[in-house]
Amino acid sequence: EVQLVESGGGLVQPGGSLRLSCAASGFTFSSYWMHWVRQAPGKGLVWVSRINSDGSSTSYADSVKGRFTISRDNAKNTLYLQMNSLRAEDTAVYYCARGGTLYGDYDYWGQGTLVTVSS
Amino acid sequence: DIQMTQSPSSVSASVGDRVTITCRASQGISSWLAWYQQKPGKAPKLLIYAASSLQSGVPSRFSGSGSGTDFTLTISSLQPEDFATYYCQQANSFPVTFGPGTKVDIK
Repeated sequence: EVQLVESGGGLVQPGGSLRLSCAASGFTFSSYWMHWVRQAPGKGLVWVSRINSDGSSTSYADSVKGRFTISRDNAKNTLYLQMNSLRAEDTAVYYCARGGTLYGDYDYWGQGTLVTVSS
Repeated sequence: DIQMTQSPSSVSASVGDRVTITCRASQGISSWLAWYQQKPGKAPKLLIYAASSLQSGVPSRFSGSGSGTDFTLTISSLQPEDFATYYCQQANSFPVTFGPGTKVDIK
């Protein structure tokens, strides 16, 4: 059974940092692109970042570029999101998601971890 | 960025009703469209990919159609477990963008 389990969320002050983790199991992690998608309270889904299967290529939404870093450890079957210079508008539930078909869908999602940026 | 719009923003329906949700892209996206279902406090669940392909394990009452800029998600006979918010998503052009969602609630 495919499982994605996020951790690392919490309350952080503006300007602070957090590192999110996503532990994957039930599939060959090193064969899949992985993504982070966030959802502000009561709002819709917003793509944040992606990383290819071997970690050699990454992309970011403009809103987080230069502040967030996605990475992965295929030996540990874990995806990461290092978030620096956090702002109030980064407050959201952060989901990790597995890249699905070649049509760019996300076929499995974690349960999400809440990041709250507030003083 | 490609803008995705959905209509209606919410719909009230009864069990057994046929429900249709429309998604429109600001420019052509071929068939690079997916639909997700999200229940409160839960992660999104993939229903449809490539505009019309049913994800494994998803009931056949869900169907998708369309290409280019206009797409629809149809629930042929609404069941109690289908009350949720539905999102479309395009992946034809970077960055991936989602529609604002359509909430299906009980009439």
